[in-house]
Amino acid sequence: GENVEQHPSTLSVQEGDSAVIKCTYSDSASNYFPWYKQELGKRPQLIIDIRSNVGEKKDQRIAVTLNKTAKHFSLHITETQPEDSAVYFCAASFNDMRFGAGTRLTVKP
Amino acid sequence: NAGVTQTPKFRILKIGQSMTLQCTQDMNHNYMYWYRQDPGMGLKLIYYSVGAGITDKGEVPNGYNVSRSTTEDFPLRLELAAPSQTSVYFCASSYSTGRGTEAFFGQGTRLTVV
Repeated sequence: GENVEQHPSTLSVQEGDSAVIKCTYSDSASNYFPWYKQELGKRPQLIIDIRSNVGEKKDQRIAVTLNKTAKHFSLHITETQPEDSAVYFCAASFNDMRFGAGTRLTVKP
Repeated sequence: NAGVTQTPKFRILKIGQSMTLQCTQDMNHNYMYWYRQDPGMGLKLIYYSVGAGITDKGEVPNGYNVSRSTTEDFPLRLELAAPSQTSVYFCASSYSTGRGTEAFFGQGTRLTVV
């Protein structure tokens, strides 16, 4: 089955800096790559996603890039704010959906 | 429109007991999933279903069973509960992963096995 690796496991940045989280996947059949944000005690919520026929997607301060050849994709958050502090998960999907282990992002004011 | 609803929200089980975690969605989604999330860890796929009558194992299916008799419902059965099954369980649904549509999560069931 699909295996998703996510790095780093923790990330601390100053408010206003950028944050980058990277993921790799193993199954070349995966064609959908969502990113979820999970706040403490809450359910995961989708923040951005990308399909395999697209190389990059941007939504305000958040962007995702996908390199199908290398089987890796990344989340970029610019101008970070304290409310961006949370755990972020990447996932790769074809029929099922497998998640990375998560990145705990802390944005210091 | 309730989305994905899980019951119960909390449960304490004794070792060896059994229970069913309920999950229902009202979005007419084809795909449904069960995940477990241990403290400070990621989401591990237990079982998933691509439609009524079809279920498949995920990464960690041992100790669990599922059924999908209707589009709306996807219950997760725990037989002979063990302390290792202490976790938060999330149910999710999507129209289709192949088409790349968002998976919506339920609020979770926090299960403790003592």
